[in-house]
Amino acid sequence: AQSVAQPEDQVNVAEGNPLTVKCTYSVSGNPYLFWYVQYPNRGLQFLLKYITGDNLVKGSYGFEAEFNKSQTSFHLKKPSALVSDSALYFCAVRDLIKAAGNKLTFGGGTRVLVKP
Amino acid sequence: EADIYQTPRYLVIGTGKKITLECSQTMGHDKMYWYQQDPGMELHLIHYSYGVNSTEKGDLSSESTVSRIRTEHFPLTLESARPSHTSQYLCASSATGRSTDTQYFGPGTRLTVL
Repeated sequence: AQSVAQPEDQVNVAEGNPLTVKCTYSVSGNPYLFWYVQYPNRGLQFLLKYITGDNLVKGSYGFEAEFNKSQTSFHLKKPSALVSDSALYFCAVRDLIKAAGNKLTFGGGTRVLVKP
Repeated sequence: EADIYQTPRYLVIGTGKKITLECSQTMGHDKMYWYQQDPGMELHLIHYSYGVNSTEKGDLSSESTVSRIRTEHFPLTLESARPSHTSQYLCASSATGRSTDTQYFGPGTRLTVL
């Protein structure tokens, strides 16, 4: 079975400060890991993914995430947050071998609030 | 933005009505998915499809049904809507292959059943 945990329901950060959204995962095999962002009344937008290779993945809008196999984590980071980064963020995992049909398992989501 | 479309975006309907939520994608993706999103944000997979004439139940039991007669089209139907069906429904698609397995989402349909 595959699972994802986002331990923080909400993250508050001041504009210009670093932003980190935490994600840990559990899979039987090797993971595919994803981050999505959801703005109000919108669908999910793909930010970045890790499949293999470099543990630091760069994505859209200045976001990056670091894959840490020993800690089974894939935290999302942005060096300098913007007010427009305020949204819901979802981490997702897919077991490379065992998840049929490209099925993803999503975390519960983290609400990010960036204050001016 | 991904080329995946959902209609209607918002729907308010009375109990007992039959409804169909439309989802279409123009990316030629073989796999398509329906998710239900709680007011508390969590997403639950309710249906997915590997391709034409293929449909599977997802992780969350749902009274809805789906069909996949054409690659680009994956409608979801509720035969008799109830207030418990009030939710946001998100459609997604992906293509087979290691480098193209990212799921792309439509804008969602917010359903309210009175």
